[in-house]
Amino acid sequence: AQSVTQLDSHVSVSEGTPVLLRCNYSSSYSPSLFWYVQHPNKGLQLLLKYTSAATLVKGINGFEAEFKKSETSFHLTKPSAHMSDAAEYFCVVSPLSNTGKLIFGQGTTLQVKP
Amino acid sequence: DAGVIQSPRHEVTEMGQEVTLRCKPISGHNSLFWYRQTMMRGLELLIYFNNNVPIDDSGMPEDRFSAKMPNASFSTLKIQPSEPRDSAVYFCASSPSPFPGELFFGEGSRLTVL
Repeated sequence: AQSVTQLDSHVSVSEGTPVLLRCNYSSSYSPSLFWYVQHPNKGLQLLLKYTSAATLVKGINGFEAEFKKSETSFHLTKPSAHMSDAAEYFCVVSPLSNTGKLIFGQGTTLQVKP
Repeated sequence: DAGVIQSPRHEVTEMGQEVTLRCKPISGHNSLFWYRQTMMRGLELLIYFNNNVPIDDSGMPEDRFSAKMPNASFSTLKIQPSEPRDSAVYFCASSPSPFPGELFFGEGSRLTVL
């Protein structure tokens, strides 16, 4: 069975410092992986996706994530946090079977302090 | 370019009343998804359609919930009768391809059942 675990429910950083949001997945095959962001009172928006091409994936707003099969990880990073990055972030895995049932992590709340 | 449009944005109703949530997907997208988000359970997939046909409704909580997609540009999620435990934010999302496509989310309908 596929699953995804976001290792931190809450991350707090200062503006201008690096961001690291951790995600581990469990899968018996090479999955498709996504990061979505949700700002307060908004819907989710795709940040980036990995679909078995380059292992380092660049997304919007300066975010990137690296697929590490040996560590079953797909951590999200950004070199320098901005106040507008404060939001909820979801790591998502797509199952092999074509059921459309994306598996969402529980989310990580990113707080950015001035 | 219009995104996914949901209505109403907020709904407050009393237990036992019928609730209808509406969604207009992005034109040209052939997959539509209904999600429910709560603090306790996170994001849950309720049902999804491909080319207007329900593919998987195993996430629908019980018979009080029903969803329809009469055409490619409109879908409804109905709760009858509503209960306080149905209080949540309901999201509609559409995708140009079923799996593993990018999901485009609406801004959600916040339902409060008193």
